[in-house]
Amino acid sequence: EADIYQTPRYLVIGTGKKITLECSQTMGHDKMYWYQQDPGMELHLIHYSYGVNSTEKGDLSSESTVSRIRTEHFPLTLESARPSHTSQYLCASSGGGAGNTIYFGEGSWLTVV
Amino acid sequence: KNQVEQSPQSLIILEGKNCTLQCNYTVSPFSNLRWYKQDTGRGPVSLTIMTFSENTKSNGRYTATLDADTKQSSLHITASQLSDSASYICVVSDRGSTLGRLYFGRGTQLTVWP
Repeated sequence: EADIYQTPRYLVIGTGKKITLECSQTMGHDKMYWYQQDPGMELHLIHYSYGVNSTEKGDLSSESTVSRIRTEHFPLTLESARPSHTSQYLCASSGGGAGNTIYFGEGSWLTVV
Repeated sequence: KNQVEQSPQSLIILEGKNCTLQCNYTVSPFSNLRWYKQDTGRGPVSLTIMTFSENTKSNGRYTATLDADTKQSSLHITASQLSDSASYICVVSDRGSTLGRLYFGRGTQLTVWP
């Protein structure tokens, strides 16, 4: 079992609200990622981090922001949610080199109404 | 353009039967290929990781093969169980950066019927 946790699992919010999706891992991994996945579609990288105080945007443009103040914590924030942000958000982490296993959280299903 | 294509898009089999899922990729330079299992509403779980020099890797009833020359991989599931019903995702990593950029397929949705 991977020790990576996401909260909330499911969230329905109104347009214009600010939300933060939490992600924590207890494996001591330096690399952490946020992916966005629509039903039946592939995962798209929206943010990643190599370590504390390191954050980069991924391949898919996203209006969300991330922070990495502690190794184990990588929260994602939407300042003003819109219906187009409705999707599943998956947090992941990995240690060591590029060939190491990437562990995913259970995902956060966000619906913006 | 780096891509990962999976087939079939969906598959229905009876419990106890075997099946093979396909993955073709154009990612270059190649680093490794991973197969993940994703249950509905859950996060993906790693099944196998294979590098350029590995042709076959097994994980219980799951056996992955890799042909780096033809850029093809397959995932064979033996004696399927109801719990095998899930989406199986092929992920290919390149060697272009320390991060090892990942390219995801759309997955094959497998349904196992009793």
